Amino acid sequence: NAGVTQTPKFQVLKTGQSMTLQCAQDMNHEYMSWYRQDPGMGLRLIHYSVGAGITDQGEVPNGYNVSRSTTEDFPLRLLSAAPSQTSVYFCASSYSTSLRQVYGYTFGSGTRLTVV
Amino acid sequence: QQPVQSPQAVILREGEDAVINCSSSKALYSVHWYRQKHGEAPVFLMILLKGGEQKGHEKISASFNEKKQQSSLYLTASQLSYSGTYFCGTGSARQLTFGSGTQLTVLP
Repeated sequence: NAGVTQTPKFQVLKTGQSMTLQCAQDMNHEYMSWYRQDPGMGLRLIHYSVGAGITDQGEVPNGYNVSRSTTEDFPLRLLSAAPSQTSVYFCASSYSTSLRQVYGYTFGSGTRLTVV
Repeated sequence: QQPVQSPQAVILREGEDAVINCSSSKALYSVHWYRQKHGEAPVFLMILLKGGEQKGHEKISASFNEKKQQSSLYLTASQLSYSGTYFCGTGSARQLTFGSGTQLTVLP
């Protein structure tokens, strides 16, 4: 059971380049989210999905796109990288079986992105 | 809106106790707690789903006061392994918003 797998682990981009951060989970979780983590700012929600074909914006969505064609995969696309997008990116997944049966998030190991 | 955590940082000696607080300006229906060690991903500790609920995990427990829109994490008889940054998360299972974290350092 691999859990949540993120690739790549490290990436350096030049300003203006685009790229896709991959996230896959093998737990059949319905909920998936992308967070970025910057020093002193905790984890900020970029985009999230409640199931295949359904995505929505979080707190800091500008400059990022997502799609969810399958339950397992939730890639994050940087359209035109900027130095302000230098950060550590975490993908997370979770599920619930009812309003009263909610479970914690499982995080991937993260992608450390530097934009120069 | 991001929940507010306090304190921002705390330094303890092994065996001492600590309390980390999490408060929200919005009504709380659930609170998550996570711990993150340096260079690693956050790890789920516990979730509280109703007011007054207290949960425990070894010597780490938490309470949830729905009326005050607050939750507290209690670490008793701290161990070196408890060092890390603790985050509370509020919202729903679909959309979780995290506080800025409390950095806990346990010294021998």
